[in-house]
Amino acid sequence: EVVMTQSPLSLPVTLGQPASISCRSGLSLVHSNGNTYLSWFQQRPGQSPRRLIYQVSKRDSGVPDRFSGSGSGTEFTLKISSLEAEDVGVYYCMQGTHTWTFGQGTKVEIK
Amino acid sequence: QVQLVESGGGVVQPGTSLRLSCAAFGFTFSNYNIHWVRQAPGKGLEWVAAISSDGSYKYYADPVKGRFTISRDNSKNTVYVQVNSLRTEDTAVYHCTQFEIWGQGTMVTVSS
Repeated sequence: EVVMTQSPLSLPVTLGQPASISCRSGLSLVHSNGNTYLSWFQQRPGQSPRRLIYQVSKRDSGVPDRFSGSGSGTEFTLKISSLEAEDVGVYYCMQGTHTWTFGQGTKVEIK
Repeated sequence: QVQLVESGGGVVQPGTSLRLSCAAFGFTFSNYNIHWVRQAPGKGLEWVAAISSDGSYKYYADPVKGRFTISRDNSKNTVYVQVNSLRTEDTAVYHCTQFEIWGQGTMVTVSS
């Protein structure tokens, strides 16, 4: 099993300020087909998860452009350029190159 | 409306079995791999099992190998997971998903 390690696990952020979450994998996530299967999910309180980003940096339909993903190999980052109240929740990275594994989650809250 | 709807959860004793179902609506179900992801109370997401679009490939997380069996019926737009030899640590909300679409989940509680 590929271990996915997120940091920080808790992230208090002032409204309007940027936020950044790191995700590190135990193995390179570059697939033999050349794609990198790293996704980011948001889970608001009391809701099912929602995918924000797939293949490192591709935003899902309807996802605000304040969310961006970057990285390569084993190191990945989700950035929120300007935190809004609706962004409060838990964020998970997930790799899909070596079956599938989620990170532990990062709780984003308002400072 | 595009959605996945899970059913079949409940309160059961350790060692017993359940069959969870996931019905798909509003999209071409047979084009997608489908996954089960669970979330224990107050905990994070855990990938559990997956089945390829045509049902020919199946994958399982180590904690459920040998106890869970995933299957699908594309004529009914439904995926199933047979969960046997349930343990208290299997207590969770079980979601089906193709990662872009998520169901609301079905709760499985294993307790004596």
